Amino acid sequence: SAVISQKPSRDICQRGTSLTIQCQVDSQVTMMFWYRQQPGQSLTLIATANQGSEATYESGFVIDKFPISRPNLTFSTLTVSNMSPEDSSIYLCSVQGDGSSGYGYTFGSGTRLTVV
Amino acid sequence: AQSVTQPDIHITVSEGASLELRCNYSYGATPYLFWYVQSPGQGLQLLLKYFSGDTLVQGIKGFEAEFKRSQSSFNLRKPSVHWSDAAEYFCAVVIMEYGNKLVFGAGTILRVKS
Repeated sequence: SAVISQKPSRDICQRGTSLTIQCQVDSQVTMMFWYRQQPGQSLTLIATANQGSEATYESGFVIDKFPISRPNLTFSTLTVSNMSPEDSSIYLCSVQGDGSSGYGYTFGSGTRLTVV
Repeated sequence: AQSVTQPDIHITVSEGASLELRCNYSYGATPYLFWYVQSPGQGLQLLLKYFSGDTLVQGIKGFEAEFKRSQSSFNLRKPSVHWSDAAEYFCAVVIMEYGNKLVFGAGTILRVKS
């Protein structure tokens, strides 16, 4: 299965600033997914990022707040913009494997964001 | 509405006892089903998955799950729990017709008492 490197692993940020999270995959993948896990909660899909097209956002998430780049088939970034304490969460990227890996979904180790 | 339900928020079992974590989904189409485990401060690890075929699926760490279409369920089981199994467990579902999106249940926190 794919190996995902996600960074930073954690950060403490001032409100009103922005943070860009990077996700690097060791193989080419068509779709990458970004999730948010608020404290004590489950994972919620933010958006799906395909290379060469704009990301598709889920209800409740907008591009101005969470811009995503997908410049190639192995890399993506998620920016959390104009942060407030409510953005304090773990952010994870994920990819779907191909048939050789049984189409399982692999996750990065996550970015633990604290906004103060 | 499409959803994944894990009815138990917390479960406590004694070490060595058997375990069953429940998961139900409400989709009309054939789902792909997953169980993930998340230890405190750790990332998500895939325990097992079901796509088709034998409805009893074996996973890592001695876990298994059974897909029951008639009950829309995919319950996770382990015959003998170890203290290291204490973690949060997430059931997740993909409906390929809806765009390969993995939808998670709320999670079940497992506590193991010695």
